[in-house]
Amino acid sequence: AVQLTQSPSSLSASVGDRVTITCRASQGVGSGLAWYQQKPGKPPKLLIHDASSLEIGVPSRFSGSGSGTDFTLTVSSLQPEDFATYYCQQFYFFPLTFGGGTKVEIK
Amino acid sequence: QVQLVESGGGVVQPGRSLRLSCAASGFILSNYGMHWVRQAPGKGLEWVAVISYDGRNKYYADSVKGRFTISRDNSKNMVFLQMNSLRAEDTAIFYCAKDYRSEGSNLDHWGQGALVTVSS
Repeated sequence: AVQLTQSPSSLSASVGDRVTITCRASQGVGSGLAWYQQKPGKPPKLLIHDASSLEIGVPSRFSGSGSGTDFTLTVSSLQPEDFATYYCQQFYFFPLTFGGGTKVEIK
Repeated sequence: QVQLVESGGGVVQPGRSLRLSCAASGFILSNYGMHWVRQAPGKGLEWVAVISYDGRNKYYADSVKGRFTISRDNSKNMVFLQMNSLRAEDTAIFYCAKDYRSEGSNLDHWGQGALVTVSS
């Protein structure tokens, strides 16, 4: 199975900061990658589909880039509601797999 | 609007079976693949299974292969997960999720989840 390694596993940031989370795949997955945000007690929410396309209704401060094995989720200016855990997921190969998550906390 | 509502969760003894259901509304179920994803308490997300839009193709995580079966009834707008030979490590919130396309891709809508606890 494709392993997805997210880094960092956690980070502390302030409102207004630019935040970057990376996801590295153990083998190439083309553009078959998505990013999700999850808040405590809630289901995940799709942010970025197909590596770089912003899901409808998601604020434009979120962006995704990358292809192959290296991907990035960027939040250009962190807002209070963005403190959450973020996951990447690949769908290029079965079984589908998720990264281990990145928890974004308030500094 | 898309709505996914899971049911059938509960407490079950190791080795026993449980069937989860997912009621879908607000979209044409027969056009989309459907998934089950689980999350153990305090842990990350683990993909469990997907069924294609027409039910012909099914794929599973290695951890559940041979024990879990995904199915669907498009006429009733329902998706199911039959879980047999349950183990303590299957304890998790199980989410039903809609695929962005017809089989396996991005998961664009999620239910609120059903808690399954495997314990004697």
